[in-house]
Amino acid sequence: DGGITQSPKYLFRKEGQNVTLSCEQNLNHDAMYWYRQDPGQGLRLIYYSQIVNDFQKGDIAEGYSVSREKKESFPLTVTSAQKNPTAFYLCASSIGLTGEQYFGPGTRLTVT
Amino acid sequence: KQEVTQIPAALSVPEGENLVLNCSFTDSAIYNLQWFRQDPGKGLTSLLLIQSSQREQTSGRLNASLDKSSGRSTLYIAASQPGDSATYLCAVILAGKSTFGDGTTLTVKP
Repeated sequence: DGGITQSPKYLFRKEGQNVTLSCEQNLNHDAMYWYRQDPGQGLRLIYYSQIVNDFQKGDIAEGYSVSREKKESFPLTVTSAQKNPTAFYLCASSIGLTGEQYFGPGTRLTVT
Repeated sequence: KQEVTQIPAALSVPEGENLVLNCSFTDSAIYNLQWFRQDPGKGLTSLLLIQSSQREQTSGRLNASLDKSSGRSTLYIAASQPGDSATYLCAVILAGKSTFGDGTTLTVKP
C-alpha cells in the first residue's frame, strides 16, 4: 500500500528544545517537500529536495533544518531558533519537481 | 513574487447544487496547477493536476480549467453532496517552489 507516513501525529515540546519530525514515502518519488500550515492559511514551503543528498530552502527555512540521506526519508528538525514553531507540518512527495504532489497526514507540533 | 488568491473564502450551498471555486495567480510562468481537498486536521488529497499546456482536466464530478494568460483556474463541482464539505486549495507549481492559496471552505447542506 503506497503512500507517505508522518510520525508522530501530535508532538508537544518545551520552548528551547529541538524536535525532529519524521517523513517516509514508499512511492519511489525523487522529490520531497516540507510545508507549514497555520490556522486558516494555505501552505508555506520550508524545504524541498530533488534528489538524495540535495535540498533547497523554501520561503520560510529560517529555524529549520533537513537531511536527505535516503530516497524514502526526509526528516525535518525544528530548532530552538524558530520563533513560532507551533503549527501543522505537512510532508509531500512527487516524481519530479513539477509533478503531482502527494501529501502525508501531517504532524501537529505544539511548543509551550 | 507569485501570489495565489482564492475567492470566496467560504461557501455554503444546498445539496445538489453545481458550484465553481476560483483561483487566481499573478505570474503566468507556471509549470502546473493542482487542486487539493483538505478535511479538518488532515493532510491534503490531490484532486486534479492541470499541466500548463492543458486547458482542463476532469475526474468524476470535478472539472478544473486553466487560463494562464488571465492567471485564473476554476474548479467546477457538479451535483454537490454533503461529503464534498471540506477546504479546497489550489497550488501553482514551479520547479520545486509551489505557492498555495488560502483555500475555500465549502459546506454542502443536506
